[in-house]
Amino acid sequence: GENVEQHPSTLSVQEGDSAVIKCTYSDSASNYFPWYKQELGKRPQLIIDIRSNVGEKKDQRIAVTLNKTAKHFSLHITETQPEDSAVYFCAARDNQGGKLIFGQGTELSVKP
Amino acid sequence: DGGITQSPKYLFRKEGQNVTLSCEQNLNHDAMYWYRQDPGQGLRLIYYSQIVNDFQKGDIAEGYSVSREKKESFPLTVTSAQKNPTAFYLCASTETGSNQPQHFGDGTRLSIL
Repeated sequence: GENVEQHPSTLSVQEGDSAVIKCTYSDSASNYFPWYKQELGKRPQLIIDIRSNVGEKKDQRIAVTLNKTAKHFSLHITETQPEDSAVYFCAARDNQGGKLIFGQGTELSVKP
Repeated sequence: DGGITQSPKYLFRKEGQNVTLSCEQNLNHDAMYWYRQDPGQGLRLIYYSQIVNDFQKGDIAEGYSVSREKKESFPLTVTSAQKNPTAFYLCASTETGSNQPQHFGDGTRLSIL
């Protein structure tokens, strides 16, 4: 089955700087990679996703890149703001059963 | 997501007691999932169901049971066999057969009395 590794586990940046979170996956057949943001005590919310037929996707200050050859994908947040502070999870869809396999999470702290 | 309702928001369990967490969705999704989240940790899959009357164990199914008698409902029972049930429980759903996002409910926080 699929296995997803996420790094770093914590990330602290100054407001206005960029933040990058990286994930690797093991199953080359995986073809769907979402990113979720979870604020303290709340449910994870989808912020962006990418499918394996594209290499990059942007939505305002957020972008995701996918390298299928290397089996890794990354989340890029530009011009970070304090409200970006949260835990971010990457995931990959397991082709055996279609369930999502989540990374361990990255706690992002944006300091004013 | 407004289409997935978990109840109750907070739940307390006495030792030796079984408790059931409710998850209802009106999104007409085929697949539903239960995750456990411990403080500062990621999401671990307990059980999932891709169709009515069928479900599969996830990574940490021991001490839990589920049923899927209706498409819109996927209740999770935390049995007395689960010795460390204190956690945040999240239910999710998605369409099957396509790479569609998984949507989460607001969660139930379970604690031991």
